[in-house]
Amino acid sequence: NAGVTQTPKFRILKIGQSMTLQCTQDMNHNYMYWYRQDPGMGLKLIYYSVGAGITDKGEVPNGYNVSRSTTEDFPLRLELAAPSQTSVYFCASSPLSYGYTFGSGTRLTVV
Amino acid sequence: QQQVKQSPQSLIVQKGGISIINCAYENTAFDYFPWYQQFPGKGPALLIAIRPDVSEKKEGRFTISFNKSAKQFSLHIMDSQPGDSATYFCAAGAQKLVFGQGTRLTINP
Repeated sequence: NAGVTQTPKFRILKIGQSMTLQCTQDMNHNYMYWYRQDPGMGLKLIYYSVGAGITDKGEVPNGYNVSRSTTEDFPLRLELAAPSQTSVYFCASSPLSYGYTFGSGTRLTVV
Repeated sequence: QQQVKQSPQSLIVQKGGISIINCAYENTAFDYFPWYQQFPGKGPALLIAIRPDVSEKKEGRFTISFNKSAKQFSLHIMDSQPGDSATYFCAAGAQKLVFGQGTRLTINP
């Protein structure tokens, strides 16, 4: 099993550009999450989903959008990238709302 | 009421010693309290977790102590080894998790 797969692993964006961070899980988990990790700040929840077609905002949703058309995929869209979005992004999934499995992360730099 | 406060930010322990990391939460609706271990360049991995109906859970060298009345919980690593050097995150939640700020643990050989 691959678990949670995130692509790309690294990306450099220019201010104002847009991109989609991909997240796929093969464990048939209903719950999926996007977190960002900044040094000394822990992980902050951006968006989460409790099942296909259902998404909700987390603590820091501004500047991001998500969709959940299938159980497996939960892409995160960045529109009009800003330097404040420089971070490491982690996708996670869980069968219920506990026991997260994290992906290996996407390191994004906005210049 | 959504904060989880973790301390210390960094910790240095000698090999064979006991590492202790503390967390405090505010929301009494939280009913799941996990600890995650993260190595550089990797995603966090679940280490051990506890629910509020027990005061302690032990798995090998790792123990969670939970104090519901004080709204605090802690991770104890017994006989700490250099391979335990990593960043540790506590978390708390119900439907979704709130994470602490992280503790960078270094075990000196």
